[in-house]
Amino acid sequence: DGGITQSPKYLFRKEGQNVTLSCEQNLNHDAMYWYRQDPGQGLRLIYYSQIVNDFQKGDIAEGYSVSREKKESFPLTVTSAQKNPTAFYLCASRVEDAGDEQYFGPGTRLTVT
Amino acid sequence: AQSVTQLDSQVPVFEEAPVELRCNYSSSVSVYLFWYVQYPNQGLQLLLKYLSGSTLVKGINGFEAEFNKSQTSFHLRKPSVHISDTAEYFCAVSYNNNDMRFGAGTRLTVKP
Repeated sequence: DGGITQSPKYLFRKEGQNVTLSCEQNLNHDAMYWYRQDPGQGLRLIYYSQIVNDFQKGDIAEGYSVSREKKESFPLTVTSAQKNPTAFYLCASRVEDAGDEQYFGPGTRLTVT
Repeated sequence: AQSVTQLDSQVPVFEEAPVELRCNYSSSVSVYLFWYVQYPNQGLQLLLKYLSGSTLVKGINGFEAEFNKSQTSFHLRKPSVHISDTAEYFCAVSYNNNDMRFGAGTRLTVKP
């Protein structure tokens, strides 16, 4: 059964700690994305990767880092430099063409106190 | 700059009534258009997409959307909604690169 998995579903951290969110896909998609979702603001792009070992910053990359060592995996680290990290984080993947839709994972809700 | 505007942040409607969720985009080039649905605490699921051809696109769950190039709009419609359609709906536009832009979302609430 193909799809995207994100873990954990809920994550709690203390301020000042780095935290890594997992995203795995078995769809054989080349491109992967990380979005942040806040109420009333839609989805904002954090980072994306079109190929292994390469990634680009999105609109709100500050305070985040990613890696793409394997085609299937695109973990996101929320660093202590991110000023307002509490949010719902969504991972997505796409085949490659602009006409293809993005497939989304179930999301991780991160709460930092 | 490319942008997507969903004109209504919230749309309340009674069960079995028709609904239209509005979406406008800014672009001077060809685009691909999508509507997604999101249920609480879940990821987004594709409802339908427009790539080319007929301007009326049919999707899942009885939804359809019409592409209007002159008005740069892609409004989503359903002739009769159900309680289970209560969700957040996102319009998205994909350009001829890796750029996909999402609207801010419209929260559809179907009341009995």
